[in-house]
Amino acid sequence: EPEVTQTPSHQVTQMGQEVILRCVPISNHLYFYWYRQILGQKVEFLVSFYNNEISEKSEIFDDQFSVERPDGSNFTLKIRSTKLEDSAMYFCASKGDSKTGELFFGEGSRLTVL
Amino acid sequence: SQKIEQNSEALNIQEGKTATLTCNYTNYSPAYLQWYRQDPGRGPVFLLLIRENEKEKRKERLKVTFDTTLKQSLFHITASQPADSATYLCALEGPTGGFKTIFGAGTRLFVKA
Repeated sequence: EPEVTQTPSHQVTQMGQEVILRCVPISNHLYFYWYRQILGQKVEFLVSFYNNEISEKSEIFDDQFSVERPDGSNFTLKIRSTKLEDSAMYFCASKGDSKTGELFFGEGSRLTVL
Repeated sequence: SQKIEQNSEALNIQEGKTATLTCNYTNYSPAYLQWYRQDPGRGPVFLLLIRENEKEKRKERLKVTFDTTLKQSLFHITASQPADSATYLCALEGPTGGFKTIFGAGTRLFVKA
């Protein structure tokens, strides 16, 4: 069964460092998302991406964050200068050819900022 | 602001019984309501979607109801099994919130053998 894959599974970084989290969505999907989940809290929407541009973003997704689809398969989330409060699980998700409906999630990248 | 409320207390039930989880929402008119399952340290997994013009949806042992007047959904697992133990997330999608999917905090379910 097709799946969303994310790398790395766990990254530890120092405050102020740049981090790039990578995702390979399901191959024929057109809508891409990043969510985050701070330990013990809810899954929070960060950004949605369609047709090579951001379609929607939350208040969390400030100037420190950026997304990119550099080629036909990868979808990346960059955090420019990490803060302690960026420590969380980051989930990539994708949808097929409709902007509504089921989200397919990856297994997440755990980011720990020291 | 938009809010999704799920019972924060864990639900403990005996194997074979029916588990019923509640999702209430405010300041939102969703076009779709979804339920996901999340196991510890894993990504959410889609279970069921129900549209605003549907009252009830079933899939195997799962049943979802959707009352847009009460702004509430009930999620039922019949003949529950220990393998059903997980956190269950309610999620809302469009149109007042755009077409992003937003999640409730989830309810933890424990099924005892």
